[in-house]
Amino acid sequence: DAEITQSPRHKITETGRQVTLACHQTWNHNNMFWYRQDLGHGLRLIHYSYGVQDTNKGEVSDGYSVSRSNTEDLPLTLESAASSQTSVYFCASSGQNTGELFFGEGSRLTVL
Amino acid sequence: GESVGLHLPTLSVQEGDNSIINCAYSNSASDYFIWYKQESGKGPQFIIDIRSNMDKRQGQRVTVLLNKTVKHLSLQIAATQPGDSAVYFCAENRGQAGTALIFGKGTTLSVSS
Repeated sequence: DAEITQSPRHKITETGRQVTLACHQTWNHNNMFWYRQDLGHGLRLIHYSYGVQDTNKGEVSDGYSVSRSNTEDLPLTLESAASSQTSVYFCASSGQNTGELFFGEGSRLTVL
Repeated sequence: GESVGLHLPTLSVQEGDNSIINCAYSNSASDYFIWYKQESGKGPQFIIDIRSNMDKRQGQRVTVLLNKTVKHLSLQIAATQPGDSAVYFCAENRGQAGTALIFGKGTTLSVSS
């Protein structure tokens, strides 16, 4: 079955370190998204991509970057992790002309 | 400012009752709305969607109502069951289908037996 997977599921890192969260989907979806989820804020859009080589900033993109070198993967990089980036990160994908997003199981990141 | 929000952060109901979860949005240009359910420790799951040219859409035990005049969206769950306990999010699409969704803050539904 097609799916979307995130790794790692849990990570603890230190302030200032570079961190990359992986997202891989096997639906062949063009659209991929990264959200962060924090208490009191719900899900906030970080970055998104509508296809290979396409990336766009979302609501809370500062301190994050993404790259889309193929259809299946959209890794999220924190160049220099900050404690404010402690959160649960969700990757999602969707096909053309549908608003239904398929979410991964989430990656819990703790920055000490 | 533009936002998608929910009226109440928590809702408690008895098993068998009908639940109504509300959502307000402020961008009158939004043309597509979706409800998601998120169970503890999992990613959100699609429940039902509605386009702005409709005012009601029904699914299995769920109904979404859209009132464009007052920019209000609601999710009705019939005969609520313990398995419905979760956080419910409304989301708004401000462009063509498949583009990025903006989510509200969520309502936690608790169902007691």
